[in-house]
Amino acid sequence: DAGITQSPRYKITETGRQVTLMCHQTWSHSYMFWYRQDLGHGLRLIYYSAAADITDKGEVPDGYVVSRSKTENFPLTLESATRSQTSVYFCASSLQGAWTDTQYFGPGTRLTVL
Amino acid sequence: DAKTTQPPSMDCAEGRAANLPCNHSTISGNEYVYWYRQIHSQGPQYIIHGLKNNETNEMASLIITEDRKSSTLILPHATLRDTAVYYCILDEKLTFGTGTRLTIIP
Repeated sequence: DAGITQSPRYKITETGRQVTLMCHQTWSHSYMFWYRQDLGHGLRLIYYSAAADITDKGEVPDGYVVSRSKTENFPLTLESATRSQTSVYFCASSLQGAWTDTQYFGPGTRLTVL
Repeated sequence: DAKTTQPPSMDCAEGRAANLPCNHSTISGNEYVYWYRQIHSQGPQYIIHGLKNNETNEMASLIITEDRKSSTLILPHATLRDTAVYYCILDEKLTFGTGTRLTIIP
């Protein structure tokens, strides 16, 4: 039972580079989410997806792009990384409803932008 | 604009009940209250949720006041592994906030 996985777990990149963070879930959950967590702050929603090919912005979407061509994958791309995007990124999924259903989180990706 | 308010930190002795409060005075009638926790460096973990009635599961109990303006998460017999940040979340909100950092004291 793999659950929800994220890769890479750690990434160091340079300003201006494109970076893609991967998220994969094996439960066939409809909803998937991307959050970022900065030191001293709670989680903030970047994007979410209700199903394949359906995505929507969260609280802090600027500088990020997502896609969902398959139900099980929800990659997050930083098109031109900036230092302010240094953070820990968590992917999550839930079975049905976005906000009335339990969210299951991955282990996180720690991204450093130099 | 409904939101939650939690104390930034709390301590609790090991083996005692940990009671974590949350205020949500502007909660709307159909909003659930969810509790998650995050142990250092790990992804958040679901604990419990409720709408009006008190709820209990293998991890915790959730007490919601009759007017639904506040709730309390109860960990009945806290262990050192319960040291974490606890988040009280309303289901229509998209942010976890800063939560309560609970430290269990040996």
